[in-house]
Amino acid sequence: EIVLTQSPGTLSLSPGERATLSCRASQSVDSRYLAWYQQKSGQAPRLLIYGASTRATGIPDRFSGSGSGTDFTLTISRLEPEDFALYYCQHYGFSVWTFGQGTKVEIK
Amino acid sequence: QVQLVQSGAEVKNPGASVKLSCKASGYTFTTYYIHWVRQAPGQGLEWMGMVNPSFGSTNYLQSFRGRVTMTRDTSTSTVYMELNSLRSEDTAVYFCVRERPGALHGMDVWGQGSTVTVSS
Repeated sequence: EIVLTQSPGTLSLSPGERATLSCRASQSVDSRYLAWYQQKSGQAPRLLIYGASTRATGIPDRFSGSGSGTDFTLTISRLEPEDFALYYCQHYGFSVWTFGQGTKVEIK
Repeated sequence: QVQLVQSGAEVKNPGASVKLSCKASGYTFTTYYIHWVRQAPGQGLEWMGMVNPSFGSTNYLQSFRGRVTMTRDTSTSTVYMELNSLRSEDTAVYFCVRERPGALHGMDVWGQGSTVTVSS
């Protein structure tokens, strides 16, 4: 079973700053099956990135994804007020979908 | 527009069963898998399983096998998720979400969530 570990647990930043979120897999994974989601309080998650680096429809270009093997990164180049939320990475492998435990991006 | 609309909140006693629905619209129902993902209060996301609406085939997370059943009704473009032998730990928001077959495009459209509370 692949385990995804996200860090940090909480990221305290100001609007306009750059956010770098990490997702580490317990073993090397196929980056084609790595996705990122944003979830705001009381809402369903929203797909941001799939295939490790492809933005989903309608996602602003300040969001970018990168990585391969065991280490993946979600970067928000300049935080907007609406970007303060929870972020999850997700992977598909061996017929199982797995989520990381999440990173909260909060206003400093 | 493409949407998944879920059934309403449920309150169940321990040991009971719950059956949630997820009605798809705005796209061809049989061309996307439907998954169920749950989120306990203050916790992260947990994938439970999926159904292929085209054939009705399913794939469940090991920890739910024997307790969960996912079915579909192509005549109404609706997917159902039944969870049996409920316990307090099953208290959560349950989301249905669609995925283009192949796992290459993530899960792009989510239902609004159905809250299930298990309490005596």
